[in-house]
This record gives sequence, C-alpha cells and structure tokens, in this order.
Amino acid sequence: AQSVTQPDARVTVSEGASLQLRCKYSYSGTPYLFWYVQYPRQGLQLLLKYYSGDPVVQGVNGFEAEFSKSNSSFHLRKASVHWSDSAVYFCVLSVGNYAQGLTFGLGTRVSVFP
Amino acid sequence: EAAVTQSPRSKVAVTGGKVTLSCHQTNNHDYMYWYRQDTGHGLRLIHYSYVADSTEKGDIPDGYKASRPSQENFSLILELASLSQTAVYFCASKDNYEQYFGPGTRLTVL
Repeated sequence: AQSVTQPDARVTVSEGASLQLRCKYSYSGTPYLFWYVQYPRQGLQLLLKYYSGDPVVQGVNGFEAEFSKSNSSFHLRKASVHWSDSAVYFCVLSVGNYAQGLTFGLGTRVSVFP
Repeated sequence: EAAVTQSPRSKVAVTGGKVTLSCHQTNNHDYMYWYRQDTGHGLRLIHYSYVADSTEKGDIPDGYKASRPSQENFSLILELASLSQTAVYFCASKDNYEQYFGPGTRLTVL
C-alpha cells in the first residue's frame, strides 16, 4: 500500500525567510503528487501538482516543489514567506487508479512570525 | 462559483441519532468521495462513488453509509452517530488524478 510521510509536524519561520517542507512517499509505480494548503477553518486548496516532466513545478503564491524519483520525495519550497502563509500544508499522493482516493500525509503546520 | 458544495456547514448531533451530510457538485465528474479529518491530521477516505446508484467502501467505512442518487449528489449517512464520529467531513469530486474539495462540514456529536 502507498503512504506519505511528512516528518515535520510544525515549522516556525520568520517573515521574509525561506521555507522548505519535506515530503517522502512510498509507492512502487508512477506517483501523482500534490501539495494542498488548509487555512484555519477552511477547506483544502491546491498549491501545485506533479504528473510528469520537469521535476520542478511552480504553484500559486510563489510556491514550488521538486520531485525526486530516486529519493521518493516531493519537497515544497518558498523563497520568502509572508505572515499569510501560516497554515497547514499537506503532501498528497494519487496512484492514478481512477477508483482510488488520495493518500494524505499528516500535514505540517507552518507558523510565520513577523 | 463553487463547484463542490456541502450542507450543512456545521451540525451538532446527539449520540445515537441519524445524521445526513450532503454534497453537490457541478463539475460533471463521475467520481465523488467522502473524507473525514480529525484534529491535527490529514484526510481519510470513508466512501466513494464512480457512478450514480453505486457506492464503494474506502479505508474507514465502519459506521457510515453513502448514497449517490445522481451524478451531482453524494450523501454520507450516519445511522447511529457516536462520539468518535466528531470530525470535519470533506466531499470531493475528481477528474483524472486531481480532486476538488468542498468547504467541509464540521460535525459535533454530543
């Protein structure tokens, strides 16, 4: 069975600093990977997605992620965070089977301080 | 305009009571899903459906039923609500590999 691991439950950064959130997945086939963000008491919003091709994908609000098949990773980055980036970030795996739902990591709570 | 809507947005239910959560999508997607989210965790799949009048069990179906009367509508039913079912419930529809989520329903069982 597939799985997603986000090793950092909480990350605290200063406004203007860079951010990296780690994600490791376990799946023997071709993964389809996503990063979703959840703001307090809101639903999930898609930040970016990776299906194939260039391993670095650009998302909304200056986020990007890099896929590594050799490391089974899909890390999220942002060069300069803003206080409004405070949220919970989920790394998500889809294995491509139309019937399957998504496999979620436990999430990383990001707190940005001024 | 929101493509996946859920009702109600929040609900307080009593233990042993029946609860129905509704989801409506205008994406024209075949696949629909129900997830639950517990505080501080990701989402877990309860039930899903790929065609009207048919539902399938997900990873944690116990205590839940689902109903898909049409392509647009997908309901989650708790016949006998329990304290452990207090959570936020999300509905989603899917095209190819990407899922589109509704705003969630916050259910509190007392």
